[in-house]
Amino acid sequence: EVQLVESGGGLVQPGRSLRLSCAASGFTFDDYAMHWVRQVPGKGLEWVSGITWNSGTVGYADFVKGRFTISRDNAKNSLYLQMSSLRAEDMALYYCAKDFGQQFYSMDVWGKGTTVTVSS
Amino acid sequence: QSVLTQPPSVSGAPGRRVTISCTGSSSNIGADSDVHWYQQLPGTAPKLLIYGNSNRPSGVPDRFSGSKSGTSASLAITGLQAEDEAEYYCQSYDSSLSGVVFGGGTKLTVL
Repeated sequence: EVQLVESGGGLVQPGRSLRLSCAASGFTFDDYAMHWVRQVPGKGLEWVSGITWNSGTVGYADFVKGRFTISRDNAKNSLYLQMSSLRAEDMALYYCAKDFGQQFYSMDVWGKGTTVTVSS
Repeated sequence: QSVLTQPPSVSGAPGRRVTISCTGSSSNIGADSDVHWYQQLPGTAPKLLIYGNSNRPSGVPDRFSGSKSGTSASLAITGLQAEDEAEYYCQSYDSSLSGVVFGGGTKLTVL
């Protein structure tokens, strides 16, 4: 079964850091680009970051550029999001999503998400 | 303000047809980037509904269809059912932003 399981969310103070992880299983991880997408409860989907199959290209939404870093370890079938200088507006449910292909295209598999709460 | 514009809500009676529009610009849909659609039921993760403008993943009923023209795309749902009540999002790639963009979402209510 194709599966994505996010972890690492939690309560963090403004200005601090947090690292999200996504464990993939059931497919050949290094064949596909991967993404992080977030959603504030009651609001829409926001693409946060993406990384191509070989980490050759990474992309970030403007609102996280310079603060978040996406990475992947194909040997461990894992995707990561290092978040720093966290702000109240970063508080959301963060989804890990598998791309349809090797570049940025569409997202055909989603995890259940991990919640990030930013508060003092 | 989302890069792709969707109506906040649409509604229709059971059995009827509704369409949801997604308007972009020359740097995304108009730049020949494909449009994809997702369905998000309350309390669940999004599900890919349409990819590549008009293709359905296996398991998606043929009541759902997509099209694209110029800088816009549309999702059509025929034979509305109560279970179709959900939030729908369009998504594409923006070459100016060098990233993925979503629409703001459309809430479908089945009357």
